[in-house]
Amino acid sequence: GQNIDQPTEMTATEGAIVQINCTYQTSGFNGLFWYQQHAGEAPTFLSYNVLDGLEEKGRFSSFLSRSKGYSYLLLKELQMKDSASYLCAVSKAAGNKLTFGGGTRVLVKP
Amino acid sequence: GAGVSQSPSNKVTEKGKDVELRCDPISGHTALYWYRQRLGQGLEFLIYFQGNSAPDKSGLPSDRFSAERTGESVSTLTIQRTQQEDSAVYLCASSALTGNYGYTFGSGTRLTVV
Repeated sequence: GQNIDQPTEMTATEGAIVQINCTYQTSGFNGLFWYQQHAGEAPTFLSYNVLDGLEEKGRFSSFLSRSKGYSYLLLKELQMKDSASYLCAVSKAAGNKLTFGGGTRVLVKP
Repeated sequence: GAGVSQSPSNKVTEKGKDVELRCDPISGHTALYWYRQRLGQGLEFLIYFQGNSAPDKSGLPSDRFSAERTGESVSTLTIQRTQQEDSAVYLCASSALTGNYGYTFGSGTRLTVV
């Protein structure tokens, strides 16, 4: 089976940095995804990691350590529009179903 | 189409009635997935279709739930004898199985069973 854990909620200040951690235990691994979901909307793709290390994409970066079953999503220079839920998901095989964590709700305050 | 289209966007039904939810994936996407999301929770896998292979139904919560897909086109998710616990947003996603960019999700169907 698969078990994916992430914090339920985080609060940060506009302009600051927030790091959302995700730990996973899976019977197979083909990559880890991060999605952003604003309230009442569909999840949208943010990042994908399959090899260890850091992937940077503008203000957002994602890190993976396969040996530790650990990933984090780093949001820099927070903006009010970054207030959303951030979903960590793991794939066992290419194109296969993603198993999602419960999501981390990030609230950005002025 | 340009994106994944789901209909209806909202559905209110009485307990015990059957409902049918529709998903129209991105043209050319061979894989299609259904997920359920209860209020304030993560996404719960329901079923996965890949081309003409037998679907992965391992996430369907009971035999009241079923889904069909014809080829690589539209899929319908049917819930029979709806219960209040079925109230949730039902999300559909599709994938081309090439590249590593996950899925494209539809906007979902918000189902409320009263």
